[in-house]
Amino acid sequence: GENVEQHPSTLSVQEGDSAVIKCTYSDSASNYFPWYKQELGKRPQLIIDIRSNVGEKKDQRIAVTLNKTAKHFSLHITETQPEDSAVYFCAARDSNYQLIWGAGTKLIIKP
Amino acid sequence: EAGVAQSPRYKIIEKRQSVAFWCNPISGHATLYWYQQILGQGPKLLIQFQNNGVVDDSQLPKDRFSAERLKGVDSTLKIQPAKLEDSAVYLCASSLGHLSTDTQYFGPGTRLTVL
Repeated sequence: GENVEQHPSTLSVQEGDSAVIKCTYSDSASNYFPWYKQELGKRPQLIIDIRSNVGEKKDQRIAVTLNKTAKHFSLHITETQPEDSAVYFCAARDSNYQLIWGAGTKLIIKP
Repeated sequence: EAGVAQSPRYKIIEKRQSVAFWCNPISGHATLYWYQQILGQGPKLLIQFQNNGVVDDSQLPKDRFSAERLKGVDSTLKIQPAKLEDSAVYLCASSLGHLSTDTQYFGPGTRLTVL
């Protein structure tokens, strides 16, 4: 079955700098990769997703890149702000059509 | 548009007791999911419903967990009897269709503490 690994588990960046979170997956048939943001004590919310027919997708300060050959995808946040502090989860849809989630990255934005 | 509703928000029980959680998905959403999220981990799918039928319950510990979605709308998840390791947040999510490319919208979760 699909296995999703996410790194780093914790990331601390200075406000205004960029943050990059990386995920790898094992099922080469996976074709959908969403990213969720979960603030402390709140529900996960979708922030961006990418399908396997594109290599990059942007939405304002957030971008996701996908390398199908290497089976990894990354979340990029530019010009980080305090409200970006949260836990970010990547996920991949496996060949059984289920979302398999990464373990999460705690992003800390230092003022 | 109303979001996914869950109740209760918090529950504390002793081991071997029973507990039930309720979820009301977004109106019109055919697919409903129950996830277990243990502290410091990502959500783990327990069961997925398409309307009132089960699509996937491969990770549901069926000796103690059960779930139903009567009439294809609201759903309940039950644990009987509870164990210490069941302490987690139980998240309900819904999506418009059955494709997992459909965005899943999460409810606020029920935080269960088993003593």
